[in-house]
Amino acid sequence: EVQLVESGGALVQPGESLRLSCSASGFTFSSHWMHWVRQAPGKGLVWVSRIKSDGSSTTYADSVKGRFTISRDNAKNTLYLQMNSLRAEDTALYYCVREVTIAGIGMDYWGQGTQLTVSS
Amino acid sequence: QSALTQPASVSGSPGQSITISCTGTSSDVGAYNYVYWYQQYPGKAPKLMIYDVSNRPSGVSNRFSGSKSGNTASLTISGLQAEDEADYYCSSYSSRSTPVFGTGTKVTVL
Repeated sequence: EVQLVESGGALVQPGESLRLSCSASGFTFSSHWMHWVRQAPGKGLVWVSRIKSDGSSTTYADSVKGRFTISRDNAKNTLYLQMNSLRAEDTALYYCVREVTIAGIGMDYWGQGTQLTVSS
Repeated sequence: QSALTQPASVSGSPGQSITISCTGTSSDVGAYNYVYWYQQYPGKAPKLMIYDVSNRPSGVSNRFSGSKSGNTASLTISGLQAEDEADYYCSSYSSRSTPVFGTGTKVTVL
């Protein structure tokens, strides 16, 4: 059974840093591109970042570029999101998401999310 | 990257059919046959319902169907059931090699 379990969410102050983790199991982690998607309270889904299966390529939404860094450790089946210079508008539930292996950019498995709250 | 445009809400009676539109541009929906639809219940993670415009993953009811014309994609739910009441999001591959999500549609079963 495919499982994605996020952790690391917390209440932090503006300007602080935090690292989210996502532990994957039930599939060959190193074969899949992975994403982080966030959802602010009562709002829609917003794509944050994507990383290639071997970690060699990453992309970011304009809103987080230069502040967030996505990475992965395929030996540990773990995806990360390092978030620096956090802002109030980064407050959201952060989902770890698996991309399908067929062409395209579909997301077939989602974790349950980890909550980040940025507030003074 | 601007979000794809969806109606905020759509409603229908049990047994009816409803259609949710998803309007993008020639740089996303209009350019690729990589349109996806996700269903999300309150407090739950999204679930993939349609991929590559019109394909259903294993286990998804055939009451759900997708299509695309130009820059607009559509999700149709036929034989509407109470369990279909949820939020629905479209997504598309974009010319920036990134996904873009729709604004989301709340489906209400009357």
